[in-house]
Amino acid sequence: NAGVTQTPKFRILKIGQSMTLQCTQDMNHNYMYWYRQDPGMGLKLIYYSVGAGITDKGEVPNGYNVSRSTTEDFPLRLELAAPSQTSVYFCASSYSAGRSSYNSPLHFGNGTRLTVT
Amino acid sequence: KQEVTQIPAALSVPEGENLVLNCSFTDSAIYNLQWFRQDPGKGLTSLLLIQSSQREQTSGRLNASLDKSSGRSTLYIAASQPGDSATYLCAVSRSGGGADGLTFGKGTHLIIQP
Repeated sequence: NAGVTQTPKFRILKIGQSMTLQCTQDMNHNYMYWYRQDPGMGLKLIYYSVGAGITDKGEVPNGYNVSRSTTEDFPLRLELAAPSQTSVYFCASSYSAGRSSYNSPLHFGNGTRLTVT
Repeated sequence: KQEVTQIPAALSVPEGENLVLNCSFTDSAIYNLQWFRQDPGKGLTSLLLIQSSQREQTSGRLNASLDKSSGRSTLYIAASQPGDSATYLCAVSRSGGGADGLTFGKGTHLIIQP
């Protein structure tokens, strides 16, 4: 049981380049999330998904896109990289059978450290 | 808007001491509160989840308490060990759930001196 797996671990992009951050989970969780973590700041939610085929914006969605074609995978796409997107990106998942997505603990991947220069 | 504050931002104590980390939140209408641990270069690991109807949760040497009315939670670590060195974050989810309703604090960076 690998949990939440993120690839790559590190990446350097030039301004204007695009890339996809991969995230997969093997726990059959219905909820998946993308967060970014900047130094001295709390985690900020970028996008989330409550199930395959359903995605929604979080607090800081500009410059990103997501898709959820399967329960297991939730890739994050950066189309035109900007220096402001330099950050550590975390994918997370959880299971919910009730009205709240947070009645079970979140499971996080180990993150992707992205630098845009 | 919910705001979560963790005090202190950093803490260094000798091995063996008992210690308390604090978390406060501005909106008491929460669904639950989670404490996480983050090791350098790693993701977050969930330690304890307290429902809004509960007062505390325990796991091994860890005990988390919740006082929803005053907007406070504490994480108590007993008999600290060097392996406890990490950043500890708390996060609250708003009442009514919602997958976008989790607010994180900035964390307390804990160092346990051997």
